[in-house]
Formats: sequence, structure tokens, C-alpha cells
Amino acid sequence: SAVISQKPSRDICQRGTSLTIQCQVDSQVTMMFWYRQQPGQSLTLIATANQGSEATYESGFVIDKFPISRPNLTFSTLTVSNMSPEDSSIYLCSASGTGDLGGYTFGSGTRLTVV
Amino acid sequence: GENVEQHPSTLSVQEGDSAVIKCTYSDSASNYFPWYKQELGKRPQLIIDIRSNVGEKKDQRIAVTLNKTAKHFSLHITETQPEDSAVYFCAASRGSGGSNYKLTFGKGTLLTVNP
Repeated sequence: SAVISQKPSRDICQRGTSLTIQCQVDSQVTMMFWYRQQPGQSLTLIATANQGSEATYESGFVIDKFPISRPNLTFSTLTVSNMSPEDSSIYLCSASGTGDLGGYTFGSGTRLTVV
Repeated sequence: GENVEQHPSTLSVQEGDSAVIKCTYSDSASNYFPWYKQELGKRPQLIIDIRSNVGEKKDQRIAVTLNKTAKHFSLHITETQPEDSAVYFCAASRGSGGSNYKLTFGKGTLLTVNP
């Protein structure tokens, strides 16, 4: 399976500011996925990031709030813009591995607290 | 879109007993069904998965069964141990292994194994 490095692991940010989260995959993957996980909740997909095209956002998430970059097949960033306390959550990136046995693996997550 | 229902939301068992978690899905085109274990503060870890051309898959104490006709799949853990205590998520997707398809998650089951 693909191995994903995600940073930062945690951050405390002031409201109104922005934070960019980075994910690096150890192999080329077509798609990367960004999730949000509220404490004690399941994973909610924010968007799917395809290299060379604009990300596809799920209902309730917009590009102005969560801009995504995907400059190559091993890297992606998610920015949480103009943050409010409601954005406090864990953000995870994911990618599907190569080959039939790849499965989907996750980065270690970014725990964001907005004060 | 896909909808995945997971039951129960919490499950408490005695060490050595078996635990069963059940999920149903709505999209008949889904053909990949992974299970993730998430310990507190950690990333989700893939523990087992099954594809639609297989009815059952086993890996040591963990097994997954799939009934495509009824659109449900289940996770079975035998001889439970305290270290099995975690939140378990089921998921469904139209593809796997390098695919472009997103995962849809169930709401999770908090499994507690009492010594």
C-alpha cells in the first residue's frame, strides 16, 4: 500500500487566518482524497484531488473555503481558509495504492484547533 | 450517491468472545468493501477488505462476509483481545487499488473488549 506523510500533525490557529496541510505519497497515485473527521465522528469527504484538473468537492464544501492543489502525482495540499472555531477538526488525506491489492491508506492526520 | 449504514454504534464484549459488526450499502455498483480500525488519536488502518467477486475472506482472527444480493457485509472478530478495542469503520467504493473512486464510510462502531 501507499505510504502517506502528512504535516503539520497539529496546529492552533487564530480565527480569520488560513492553514495549509501537505500530504506526500511515496508512490504515484491518480487520485488523492481529503477528509474531515470531527471528534467521535466518521470521516466526511471534502474533495477528490486529481492531478492536472480542478478538485471535485462534495456537497457542503466549496473551493473558496478549502482550496486544494495537486501539482504532481505524489503531492497535494489542502488549505483551510478564513478559519472559524467550527473548522476545528482532524483533517486527513488519503490515496489509493497501486495494483489490485492497493486499498486506500491515510495520512496521519492534522489536528486543527481554531481559537 | 452511496449510503453506508453501520450497526451497532457501540459494542462491548468480554475478552475471548466474538464480535460482529454489520453494514449495509445502497449503491449496487459498489464492489469494494474495506474495514478500518482507528485507535484513539491515530489514523484509520485498513484491517481487511473484500471485493464483490468473493463472499468471504479471513485473516487470522478477522473475517469479512459479503452478501451482494442483500447489499450487506459484516466484520467478524473471534477470540477478542483488549487490544482489539477501537473504533471500526466499514466503507464501500466502486473501485480499489489505484482506482479513482471515493470511499463512503459508515458512522463507526466503538468496540470495547473487557479483560
